[in-house]
Amino acid sequence: AQSVTQPDIHITVSEGASLELRCNYSYGATPYLFWYVQSPGQGLQLLLKYFSGDTLVQGIKGFEAEFKRSQSSFNLRKPSVHWSDAAEYFCAVGAQGGYNKLIFGAGTRLAVHP
Amino acid sequence: EPEVTQTPSHQVTQMGQEVILRCVPISNHLYFYWYRQILGQKVEFLVSFYNNEISEKSEIFDDQFSVERPDGSNFTLKIRSTKLEDSAMYFCASSGPGQGNEKLFFGSGTQLSVL
Repeated sequence: AQSVTQPDIHITVSEGASLELRCNYSYGATPYLFWYVQSPGQGLQLLLKYFSGDTLVQGIKGFEAEFKRSQSSFNLRKPSVHWSDAAEYFCAVGAQGGYNKLIFGAGTRLAVHP
Repeated sequence: EPEVTQTPSHQVTQMGQEVILRCVPISNHLYFYWYRQILGQKVEFLVSFYNNEISEKSEIFDDQFSVERPDGSNFTLKIRSTKLEDSAMYFCASSGPGQGNEKLFFGSGTQLSVL
């Protein structure tokens, strides 16, 4: 069955610290992989996506993610967190080459301490 | 950047009532979606819509749900007889020609509360 697991429901980091949000997926074929962010009162904003090629992808706001096929993981990282990064982060998978549904994880809520 | 607009931002209704959630996708987009998120749970796919017909729907999208693009700009989700378990945040999304699920633009959601 297709699924996405985000093991951490809440994470708190200090401003300036590094961040890694975990995502594991189960998918029959080679998937598209996404990270979305949702700030309070806002919609889901695409941070980055992986389709193929280089397994380290860069996104907006200084985020990056690494696709590891052997571990079925697509972890999101940022070297230095800013207070404005406090939000909820969602990992998602989708079928390649189509207009198919995305399957989302449950999300990780990030809090940033000054 | 262009936006997907959803109205209302909050909707409260009584169980058994009909509700219509409205979305204005980005103007040149062709593919439209509804997702929902029950509090504390995952964002779940409901339905995708293209060329005036449903292209895919989930098990959640039963006969109580319907979608429509009534006038070429709005995209609506109707729940005919709401249940308590329909309480959730409903997100509309759209994508443009050739983009598919590669680049979905999401609205900020409608929080539906069924009492």
